[in-house]
Amino acid sequence: DVKVTQSSRYLVKRTGEKVFLECVQDMDHENMFWYRQDPGLGLRLIYFSYDVKMKEKGDIPEGYSVSREKKERFSLILESASTNQTSMYLCASSSYSGRDRGYEQYFGPGTRLTVT
Amino acid sequence: AQTVTQSQPEMSVQEAETVTLSCTYDTSESNYYLFWYKQPPSRQMILVIRQEAYKQQNATENRFSVNFQKAAKSFSLKISDSQLGDTAMYFCAFMILNAGKSTFGDGTTLTVKP
Repeated sequence: DVKVTQSSRYLVKRTGEKVFLECVQDMDHENMFWYRQDPGLGLRLIYFSYDVKMKEKGDIPEGYSVSREKKERFSLILESASTNQTSMYLCASSSYSGRDRGYEQYFGPGTRLTVT
Repeated sequence: AQTVTQSQPEMSVQEAETVTLSCTYDTSESNYYLFWYKQPPSRQMILVIRQEAYKQQNATENRFSVNFQKAAKSFSLKISDSQLGDTAMYFCAFMILNAGKSTFGDGTTLTVKP
């Protein structure tokens, strides 16, 4: 089974702190994603990476950065946390599985971040 | 840009009955995939069912089936014989062929009542 793990399930940080959220996948997937999940807004893509050291902005990259130094690890960084970044953060990975299956995304358990 | 709309924020169904969740999307692409994902309370999101746009036959996975209407850009999920374990938030998602990333709807919270 594909396993996607995230470093913390719950995290409480203060405004202005630098926050690191880490994600690790064990299936050698080339693609990795960071989403933010808020009630009524679904999943919004923050950043994604399709290879080591490669990254692309998603729909809401402002206030975030990412790092992918190794294929299995994708980090989301909040340079200076703000209260409006309080949210559930989901990591996912995917790989092409052929024409019939396309890219199926596998998700981590999520990190619920509270910024006070 | 692609958009995915789930018009039912919340739904409920009695155990053993059938329920249909709606999803519409907007795209100018002709080759794409559609997915339904399930997120149970406090648990990880998992794939329920997928549909390739080039296939006319509707996908089925046990009690889960879809009604894919390509011309109408509609992709509904039918859950038959609903079980308490089906209680979850369900997300419809769209992916362009070879794009690697998906666009998600806002989700529908389904509650199965005993």
